[in-house]
Amino acid sequence: GIQVEQSPPDLILQEGANSTLRCNFSDSVNNLQWFHQNPWGQLINLFYIPSGTKQNGRLSATTVATERYSLLYISSSQTTDSGVYFCAVLAGNNRLAFGKGNQVVVIP
Amino acid sequence: DAGVIQSPRHEVTEMGQEVTLRCKPISGHNSLFWYRQTMMRGLELLIYFNNNVPIDDSGMPEDRFSAKMPNASFSTLKIQPSEPRDSAVYFCASSLVVTEGVTEAFFGQGTRLTVV
Repeated sequence: GIQVEQSPPDLILQEGANSTLRCNFSDSVNNLQWFHQNPWGQLINLFYIPSGTKQNGRLSATTVATERYSLLYISSSQTTDSGVYFCAVLAGNNRLAFGKGNQVVVIP
Repeated sequence: DAGVIQSPRHEVTEMGQEVTLRCKPISGHNSLFWYRQTMMRGLELLIYFNNNVPIDDSGMPEDRFSAKMPNASFSTLKIQPSEPRDSAVYFCASSLVVTEGVTEAFFGQGTRLTVV
């Protein structure tokens, strides 16, 4: 099946810092989503981004489908940004395959 | 829309007991997914329904697990008998499959299952 790799696995940020999370996938995909799993375990939709660039407040994402990667940018990080960020891609059989996540800790 | 609704939020049961997890997808969505999340294995797909029909159940770990979707607004995941290694967070998700592809998937808040 399709492989989804996220890097870095763990990241500690000082509040106010910027960061970039990366998602590489092994095959062509029809869909790509970024989620934030907060400390309470809830999976929050961040971006639905099969290609191109989108921005939502301090977060933005870019997917280059032809090169099989996506990037999630966090600017001016806040403690509420802590949690695990997941990249999930849709393979040909309509199932979302998840990466192992980026564990982000923002310290004040 | 209230989003994907799962119940119960937490379940603690004794080994050997039957456990039933419930999910109500977003109205209008025609695809429903059950995922399980553990520290060791991350998020793994258990089963996928499209138009209430199971399409892919290859992720169901063994015969103790079963899932049904009797109508477009309700699905259950049942474990019988439950074992301690089934302890995990179980997520339900829904999306809309159209001719052009699949729209954004949304997840419920999950059911944290503990089998003692």
